[in-house]
Amino acid sequence: AQSVTQLGSHVSVSEGALVLLRCNYSSSVPPYLFWYVQYPNQGLQLLLKYTSAATLVKGINGFEAEFKKSETSFHLTKPSAHMSDAAEYFCAVSDESFQKLVFGTGTRLLVSP
Amino acid sequence: DTAVSQTPKYLVTQMGNDKSIKCEQNLGHDTMYWYKQDSKKFLKIMFSYNNKELIINETVPNRFSPKSPDKAHLNLHINSLELGDSAVYFCASSQQGNTEAFFGQGTRLTVV
Repeated sequence: AQSVTQLGSHVSVSEGALVLLRCNYSSSVPPYLFWYVQYPNQGLQLLLKYTSAATLVKGINGFEAEFKKSETSFHLTKPSAHMSDAAEYFCAVSDESFQKLVFGTGTRLLVSP
Repeated sequence: DTAVSQTPKYLVTQMGNDKSIKCEQNLGHDTMYWYKQDSKKFLKIMFSYNNKELIINETVPNRFSPKSPDKAHLNLHINSLELGDSAVYFCASSQQGNTEAFFGQGTRLTVV
């Protein structure tokens, strides 16, 4: 069965520092992978997705992620954190039949001035 | 112009009551979902419908009954509410075969 593991329930960075949120996946088929962001009391917004095209995927708000098959990873990065990036981030993978998303447990990003 | 809208946003009710949450999408998608987010922020699918047909039912108690009158609407009715039903319920939609889902704002259900 498909699954994702997000290492670190909380990540703290200073404003202007590099953001790195880790996601490793397990999949029996070539995966479709997603990163979603959830701001407080809001729904989930798609940041970016990997669907077997380019391995380096650029998303909204300056985020990007690189698909590494050899490491079964899809880590999310942003060169310079902004206060407005503080939120909960979820990595997700499609199930084998592409009928649903399987989510990781989420990583809360805290950004300090 | 909200793509996926759910009502109500907040719902506080007593144990044993019956309540409904409504969801509508104007994206022209043919697949709709209900996800549940628990107090630890863990998200799990409950149901999915494709063109009004139930596709996924993830061992959700029978007290939960989704209804899809047309492919733009997917409502969730919950009978005999229990304390453990307290959570945030998200509606989402996608195009068939494309699991990139668009989510609503969520409904925070609190059972007291």
